[in-house]
Amino acid sequence: AQTVTQSQPEMSVQEAETVTLSCTYDTSENNYYLFWYKQPPSRQMILVIRQEAYKQQNATENRFSVNFQKAAKSFSLKISDSQLGDTAMYFCAYASINTGTASKLTFGTGTRLQVTL
Amino acid sequence: DTGVSQDPRHKITKRGQNVTFRCDPISEHNRLYWYRQTLGQGPEFLTYFQNEAQLEKSRLLSDRFSAERPKGSFSTLEIQRTEQGDSAMYLCASSHFSRSGELFFGEGSRLTVL
Repeated sequence: AQTVTQSQPEMSVQEAETVTLSCTYDTSENNYYLFWYKQPPSRQMILVIRQEAYKQQNATENRFSVNFQKAAKSFSLKISDSQLGDTAMYFCAYASINTGTASKLTFGTGTRLQVTL
Repeated sequence: DTGVSQDPRHKITKRGQNVTFRCDPISEHNRLYWYRQTLGQGPEFLTYFQNEAQLEKSRLLSDRFSAERPKGSFSTLEIQRTEQGDSAMYLCASSHFSRSGELFFGEGSRLTVL
């Protein structure tokens, strides 16, 4: 079974600064997807960024980028120019490509990010 | 389309009662998921539908839990004889088959069992 580990329960960053959230995962599969989801306080979870394991190029979405290290099974999220609206729980998630149950996500325990003035 | 909607948003019940949650997915999404999230944890997969077929159930889903998706549209999650351990946020999500892992979540239904 796949596992996802987020070792930083809480982090804080000042507005306009850069912060990196860590995620490691364990799998025996070669093809899979990795995701970062954001859950703002009292609001629904939304997808931040998606990475296919077969792509060596790191995914980027505006101020959000990832550092995907497949051999190390590491998948960190970098948020540049942090904004107050980035305050949220951030969940790293894994989905297998090879099984018949596409899109069943395995989530980490989350990192609570607080952006301060 | 306004996204995934869930009802009720909050439910307080006494132990032993039955509760039912409803989820309306994004209309063009054929996949629908139920997750459970407890405080300080990430969501845990419960079950998954493709159209009206329930294709997988987690072992977390005891016999007291049942989910349906008649006609492949909205879905219901029923918990019978609730226990205090069932207290959690129940999240519904939907996705299109062509975009694996890109789930659109609802705001969740928070259950408190007294």
